[in-house]
Amino acid sequence: GAGVSQSPSNKVTEKGKDVELRCDPISGHTALYWYRQSLGQGLEFLIYFQGNSAPDKSGLPSDRFSAERTGGSVSTLTIQRTQQEDSAVYLCASSYGLAGGRSYEQYFGPGTRLTVT
Amino acid sequence: GENVEQHPSTLSVQEGDSAVIKCTYSDSASNYFPWYKQELGKRPQLIIDIRSNVGEKKDQRIAVTLNKTAKHFSLHITETQPEDSAVYFCAAGTTDSWGKFQFGAGTQVVVTP
Repeated sequence: GAGVSQSPSNKVTEKGKDVELRCDPISGHTALYWYRQSLGQGLEFLIYFQGNSAPDKSGLPSDRFSAERTGGSVSTLTIQRTQQEDSAVYLCASSYGLAGGRSYEQYFGPGTRLTVT
Repeated sequence: GENVEQHPSTLSVQEGDSAVIKCTYSDSASNYFPWYKQELGKRPQLIIDIRSNVGEKKDQRIAVTLNKTAKHFSLHITETQPEDSAVYFCAAGTTDSWGKFQFGAGTQVVVTP
């Protein structure tokens, strides 16, 4: 079946502009996660959605970052007034979450490479 | 919150040798420890996981061990092959958090022929 998809695959933007990154999770997955991966670095947790519950925003680095998930499916990560340090690969993942019983596996999307010039 | 440390950051091994990656965690409530593999230019994928009610789990050439008392767990790859070259991430979390894990910084494994 279809995996997690993300768009765009690459985004180049000027410093100070806003960007929106999109994630389409696997159908039936109730949990959705956003991570940031800087060059040669690990996976930095940003935000987590579980069903209709309030999202866990504990990883968002500043108030310039926000995310929403509409209808329990598609999610958009928005970065306002982008800075050069925001340049990274933004990965989305989904899992069965509360609906998954014993499965906690996260399925990752291909990522969006964001470059802020 | 949980803090996961991973060592080494890079590991070079000869084909056929074994590779070991170690992780420590801080939260004694963590009870689920997955390992993800990320090949160059690709997305991370789960390769093996272990829960706190077992001390070891094996899947072909890959094994994971867990020491809850010492709060550390390790990934063992035997008979390494060039296709094992990748970045490996460990993670720790609680099953109560339904998949919200703290990931380690990653280990770049290079298997040389």
